[in-house]
Amino acid sequence: DAGVTQSPTHLIKTRGQQVTLRCSPKSGHDTVSWYQQALGQGPQFIFQYYEEEERQRGNFPDRFSGHQFPNYSSELNVNALLLGDSALYLCASSRTATYEQYFGPGTRLTVT
Amino acid sequence: AQKVTQAQTEISVVEKEDVTLDCVYETRDTTYYLFWYKQPPSGELVFLIRRNSFDEQNEISGRYSWNFQKSTSSFNFTITASQVVDSAVYFCALSEGGSTLGRLYFGRGTQLTVWP
Repeated sequence: DAGVTQSPTHLIKTRGQQVTLRCSPKSGHDTVSWYQQALGQGPQFIFQYYEEEERQRGNFPDRFSGHQFPNYSSELNVNALLLGDSALYLCASSRTATYEQYFGPGTRLTVT
Repeated sequence: AQKVTQAQTEISVVEKEDVTLDCVYETRDTTYYLFWYKQPPSGELVFLIRRNSFDEQNEISGRYSWNFQKSTSSFNFTITASQVVDSAVYFCALSEGGSTLGRLYFGRGTQLTVWP
């Protein structure tokens, strides 16, 4: 039973560029959440997707957008990258109406 | 205001010592969930435990135990007879009911180092 997978593992981008991160949820899970974890901080909630729609959103600008596909996998897109976007991006999946979120290994994004 | 506070930034112990990680939370909801996650150097968050607000029973799982006290809004985590493999960052998290159900609010984490 595969857990949550994310790609790529590492990514280096330049300011102003755009990036797409990908996540495949754990088998049987239909809800995907994205978190940003800056160095030395706890993860911060970006948004959550269920049934291909954004169900709730944290305090992040519109430069952060996402998508969920019919197979429940998800993408996180960040436009006009800033140096402050450098962080570990974590994807978590869960089953609807349950509260245990399982996290993937993350994508470490470096913006130069 | 911070919903989850982990006042201990770093803790160092020697193997076989017991260690307690503190977590204080803040919420107005009567239904909520509390979690502990472990983050080893690899970066992946590993789920340890979930408690709901109606269940104040303490829980023990091997060397791990959790003390949930609603009266003090605390959910502390104790590792008994610590081992080097316990070295990691530990996060306490809160999920409230209502429209934000499923969203996790994390503390800033406690870096635990266990020396041989």
